[in-house]
Amino acid sequence: KNEVEQSPQNLTAQEGEFITINCSYSVGISALHWLQQHPGGGIVSLFMLSSGKKKHGRLIATINIQEKHSSLHITASHPRDSAVYICAAQDFSGTYKYIFGTGTRLKVLA
Amino acid sequence: GAGVSQSPRYKVAKRGQDVALRCDPISGHVSLFWYQQALGQGPEFLTYFQNEAQLDKSGLPSDRFFAERPEGSVSTLKIQRTQQEDSAVYLCASSLVADSNTEAFFGQGTRLTVV
Repeated sequence: KNEVEQSPQNLTAQEGEFITINCSYSVGISALHWLQQHPGGGIVSLFMLSSGKKKHGRLIATINIQEKHSSLHITASHPRDSAVYICAAQDFSGTYKYIFGTGTRLKVLA
Repeated sequence: GAGVSQSPRYKVAKRGQDVALRCDPISGHVSLFWYQQALGQGPEFLTYFQNEAQLDKSGLPSDRFFAERPEGSVSTLKIQRTQQEDSAVYLCASSLVADSNTEAFFGQGTRLTVV
C-alpha cells in the first residue's frame, strides 16, 4: 500500500464543472502539499497545508488531520486547468522530503 | 537565480554510458533534493543534501547512482553504466531551510532516455 494515495487517477470534466481530487496518507506529516505539473514542465506548488482550509482563486484545499485526508477542489473548471495534480506528504523527520502520490491527470473539455 | 535550474533538459544515453545531471538551486537555499519520476508515476525520493552534507541517500536505487554537492550550491547526480530502467525524469528541488514550514521549489527536470 502506498503511503500517499490519490483518487481518481484520471478525470475528464466539462468546462464549468466543480472538480474534487482526494488524497489519503498513512504517514506522519509536517505538512501536506498540492502541486501542479504540466506536460514537459516542472512542478508548481499550489498549496501547503498543516490544518484547515486554504483558498486561492478558484482553487480550494482542505485537510482533516485526524482522518489523514485532504481534498483539492476546482470551482468553475476551465480547459487551462488541464494538468496533473499531485498530492505530497512532507516528512517531519529531519529531511522534510516529499512523499508523493501518483497524481491525478485532469482534462477539462471546452 | 530566479528559480531552480536543471541541465540538460533532455538526455539520450546508450545503455552502459555514464551520465551527469546538473542542478542549480535557488541561491542561498540550504536544502537540496533529487527525485526520480517514472512515466505516469509520482516522483520518488532519491537523496537529500543540507549544504554540502549528504544526509540521506536512502532512495538511491543502486550503487550506480551517486550525487554530490561539494560547495553547498550546485549539485550533480551521476548515473554510471546506465540501464533502460533508469529512463525517467530526474527532478531537483531546493528549499531555504530544513523546516516543517518551508516549501520546496522544483526545477523543470531532466528527461533521461536510455536506449
